[in-house]
Amino acid sequence: DAKTTQPNSMESNEEEPVHLPCNHSTISGTDYIHWYRQLPSQGPEYVIHGLTSNVNNRMASLAIAEDRKSSTLILHRATLRDAAVYYCILRDPFESGSARQLTFGSGTQLTVLP
Amino acid sequence: EAGVAQSPRYKIIEKRQSVAFWCNPISGHATLYWYQQILGQGPKLLIQFQNNGVVDDSQLPKDRFSAERLKGVDSTLKIQPAKLEDSAVYLCASSLNSGAYPYTFGSGTRLTVV
Repeated sequence: DAKTTQPNSMESNEEEPVHLPCNHSTISGTDYIHWYRQLPSQGPEYVIHGLTSNVNNRMASLAIAEDRKSSTLILHRATLRDAAVYYCILRDPFESGSARQLTFGSGTQLTVLP
Repeated sequence: EAGVAQSPRYKIIEKRQSVAFWCNPISGHATLYWYQQILGQGPKLLIQFQNNGVVDDSQLPKDRFSAERLKGVDSTLKIQPAKLEDSAVYLCASSLNSGAYPYTFGSGTRLTVV
């Protein structure tokens, strides 16, 4: 499995942008980059995913480096509700069997300060 | 649309007792997953179902854990007998199909074995 590296923890001030980094130097050409987050006492929830181009949705933006060896999840204006563990996961939908499954690392614990 | 439903929300049992968790996935989702999340770690996949068949149970401790999805909808995960190290949150997730994204997770069942 292609591996991702994320900082254990990050802090942000409320109403400021947050940039959560993820390194994936062994990414393959068909690996999609997925981000999930897990709020306290909840299951993980989908945030965003992308392949090569930057992606935007109502929750966040995903900026993917040109060489695809790193990506950044951007929360444009952090709120207290965004305090969660953020997971960056690589998955290849063209792989067979268990290789398609979401495999979670330890993620980044984001703390939002009021 | 309704989310993934799990029950119970919390369970405390003594070691060597048995316990069962129930999951109702999103309507129409063919693929169902059970994850185990130990405190401070990311979720770890235990078993994946496609309709009522098992796709992958390679990480399920089969001497004590069992799971079924008899009619291809609801699923039950059982532990018998429980050990102290089984204390964790058990998360159920579903997706439209195998290899499809995103996964939708339930809120989980927090199991404490004493």
